[in-house]
Amino acid sequence: EAQVTQNPRYLITVTGKKLTVTCSQNMNHEYMSWYRQDPGLGLRQIYYSMNVEVTDKGDVPEGYKVSRKEKRNFPLILESPSPNQTSLYFCASSLRGPPNSPLHFGNGTRLTVT
Amino acid sequence: RKEVEQDPGPFNVPEGATVAFNCTYSNSASQSFFWYRQDCRKEPKLLMSVYSSGNEDGRFTAQLNRASQYISLLIRDSKLSDSATYLCVPDQGGKLIFGQGTELSVKP
Repeated sequence: EAQVTQNPRYLITVTGKKLTVTCSQNMNHEYMSWYRQDPGLGLRQIYYSMNVEVTDKGDVPEGYKVSRKEKRNFPLILESPSPNQTSLYFCASSLRGPPNSPLHFGNGTRLTVT
Repeated sequence: RKEVEQDPGPFNVPEGATVAFNCTYSNSASQSFFWYRQDCRKEPKLLMSVYSSGNEDGRFTAQLNRASQYISLLIRDSKLSDSATYLCVPDQGGKLIFGQGTELSVKP
């Protein structure tokens, strides 16, 4: 089944403890992206990648890192999480990237930083 | 002015009703537009793409007014399963700008 898989689905952590949210797609998509969603705000892009070894900042990259060493994986790294990073995170992939190809989203990761 | 503005709702309608959502966007250079559907904090899913003046898919019709910079989504004969949040998403040069969404609740 074609899908974008994120793990974990839920995560509660403490300020400053490094964490990684994994994202994997099995559709051979070139484009991958991370978003966060907060109440009253639309999805905001954190980082995106047009292809392997190519990553770019989105609108809210501060406090996050990403890597794209393989086409299928695009992990999101929080080196030192803070409470303002408590949010719902979505990974998405697209064959060639917007607007030419639709985005396919993962199930989401609900992160709480205390 | 926000890049994308939507009435957050909620819109509460009975089954069978026709409901319309409007969305305004600030960047006149946007060429492509999308409506995504999001169920109760689950992942967004593409509902419709709009590249010209409009698009129709079954009970759903999207219309684009470039001069006034707004796009609408019309849902006819509402079903209970249409209850969700509808996200208006214009494209700006390969970057998708997500609206905060309009919540629809269809009641029996």
